[in-house]
Amino acid sequence: IAGITQAPTSQILAAGRRMTLRCTQDMRHNAMYWYRQDLGLGLRLIHYSNTAGTTGKGEVPDGYSVSRANTDDFPLTLASAVPSQTSVYFCASSPGTGGSEAFFGQGTRLTVV
Amino acid sequence: GENVEQHPSTLSVQEGDSAVIKCTYSDSASNYFPWYKQELGKRPQLIIDIRSNVGEKKDQRIAVTLNKTAKHFSLHITETQPEDSAVYFCAASRVWAGGTSYGKLTFGQGTILTVHP
Repeated sequence: IAGITQAPTSQILAAGRRMTLRCTQDMRHNAMYWYRQDLGLGLRLIHYSNTAGTTGKGEVPDGYSVSRANTDDFPLTLASAVPSQTSVYFCASSPGTGGSEAFFGQGTRLTVV
Repeated sequence: GENVEQHPSTLSVQEGDSAVIKCTYSDSASNYFPWYKQELGKRPQLIIDIRSNVGEKKDQRIAVTLNKTAKHFSLHITETQPEDSAVYFCAASRVWAGGTSYGKLTFGQGTILTVHP
């Protein structure tokens, strides 16, 4: 089934540890995004990628890094997790050229303790 | 950058009533305005969208209106049903000429809609 998948679905992480959230899509979409969702704050953009090989900063990029080595994968890394990074993380993709709809993964619930 | 404000934060209606959620945006260059529905524990899913070249779009019980001059857009749900209960998000982005959308969607804060049977 075509779509966008994230892993893990949930994780409890000790503060100071490094963590990579994985995101893979098989729709050949050009653009990919990472959002975090916190109660009362909606979905806030962390980083984005317009196409393989390029990335950009969103609204709340501090403490996070991304890479886009190929079209399908867009991992998000927390270099040294802090409790304020406790959130639900959504990866999304959109066609870019010819389409604007963003398709979301199922989310990763991350708790930093 | 773009800023999207969404109201109300919570909305409670009786089954069969209408529900209206309103959003304002700040960047006059934004020209694509989607609405997403997120059920509890699920991912956001697109329910309707509108581009700035039209003022209204309808899809069965759902409609969206856009006022470019005032920079606000609204979601209208008629004949609400309990299964409409969810969190609704508006968003705004810029679709470039030729249809390329490097649409860093900026979302509103969300509206929790509860439809009572």
